Amino acid sequence: DAKTTQPPSMDCAEGRAANLPCNHSTISGNEYVYWYRQIHSQGPQYIIHGLKNNETNEMASLIITEDRKSSTLILPHATLRDTAVYYCIALPEGGGTSYGKLTFGQGTILTVHP
Amino acid sequence: DAMVIQNPRYQVTQFGKPVTLSCSQTLNHNVMYWYQQKSSQAPKLLFHYYDKDFNNEADTPDNFQSRRPNTSFCFLDIRSPGLGDAAMYLCATSREYFVTIGYTFGSGTRLTVV
Repeated sequence: DAKTTQPPSMDCAEGRAANLPCNHSTISGNEYVYWYRQIHSQGPQYIIHGLKNNETNEMASLIITEDRKSSTLILPHATLRDTAVYYCIALPEGGGTSYGKLTFGQGTILTVHP
Repeated sequence: DAMVIQNPRYQVTQFGKPVTLSCSQTLNHNVMYWYQQKSSQAPKLLFHYYDKDFNNEADTPDNFQSRRPNTSFCFLDIRSPGLGDAAMYLCATSREYFVTIGYTFGSGTRLTVV
């Protein structure tokens, strides 16, 4: 599975957009990019995922570069409740020993401040 | 609401005394996972069930066992807890292994070993 690299921490002002980068330069053609977040003392929460097209849902937008080597999660109007650890994960569609298993890296600690 | 429920939220056990953590789901998902998350670390997959088929991670200690008596319930048994087993234990479900289906996590059980 492709390794992902994220900055260990980021800050964002409340009401501003939070742009969280993720590098996955070794991603293969059948690997999706997933984003989860974990608010303190809670279980991780699914945010969004994509293969090669940009995606948007009620929580966030996901921008994947054309070469698929990196992506950015965008929280358009960050609130204090968005303070959490954000995990970027590359997961293959099928096959291999990691089939269907979500494996977390260290993630990015996003702190939204007033 | 359909969800993944973990009980208890907090569990204190004595060193060496067997303990069982429980997870139930109302989502009717085929796959149930157990993760261990130590302080300031990312969640680490211990094992999972696809229906009744048990799949252990290679580096999961023998001290950890699991049972899934039916679709709705899954248990994590720690036969002889050590101080190093103090952690948050997270249960998660997914409808299938396929990447396009997101995982749903419970709120976790925080285990303290005294």
